[in-house]
Amino acid sequence: KAGVTQTPRYLIKTRGQQVTLSCSPISGHRSVSWYQQTPGQGLQFLFEYFSETQRNKGNFPGRFSGRQFSNSRSEMNVSTLELGDSALYLCASSLGRGLNYEQYFGPGTRLTVT
Amino acid sequence: GENVEQHPSTLSVQEGDSAVIKCTYSDSASNYFPWYKQELGKRPQLIIDIRSNVGEKKDQRIAVTLNKTAKHFSLHITETQPEDSAVYFCAAKTNAGGTSYGKLTFGQGTILTVHP
Repeated sequence: KAGVTQTPRYLIKTRGQQVTLSCSPISGHRSVSWYQQTPGQGLQFLFEYFSETQRNKGNFPGRFSGRQFSNSRSEMNVSTLELGDSALYLCASSLGRGLNYEQYFGPGTRLTVT
Repeated sequence: GENVEQHPSTLSVQEGDSAVIKCTYSDSASNYFPWYKQELGKRPQLIIDIRSNVGEKKDQRIAVTLNKTAKHFSLHITETQPEDSAVYFCAAKTNAGGTSYGKLTFGQGTILTVHP
């Protein structure tokens, strides 16, 4: 079974621009979560989608948004980019939301904001 | 919300020694505790997990223990090898509903270096 895939893998943007990142979960997985990874803050939860609905959101400004499609693929969008948004953005998929479902990560999208 | 503290931040051992990484969590409703290994430039990989109805789980050279009363859990790696060198993250998830449901909260990570 193919793993979680993310596109693009690398991205360079300038301040003020917006960006859209894509995540394709493992086949059959219905939950997709997004995380931001930086050296200073570690892995921080952005949001979780299940059945095309945002189920949970971390402490990030409204510039960070996302959505999930009927095939469980997910996108996240960051508008009005700031230098501090430079990070590795990871998505993780799981079969479901509860205790019994492990999360598997994609390779990440490395975003650099200049 | 949940807060997960992880120690030590760096750990250096000789090949063949054991390594122990410890995590404490704050939310008593947390009941799922995975560990991830992240090699340089790679994705975090799930290496072992434990649920709150179990006190210990072992998979070859890796074991995890959980003390729900004290709200801490630990990763134990025996007979370490150079390929165990990576960053290890612990995490906690609550199944209790509310805003934390389904969300993994991660520790800050431990850089493990195994010297040949």
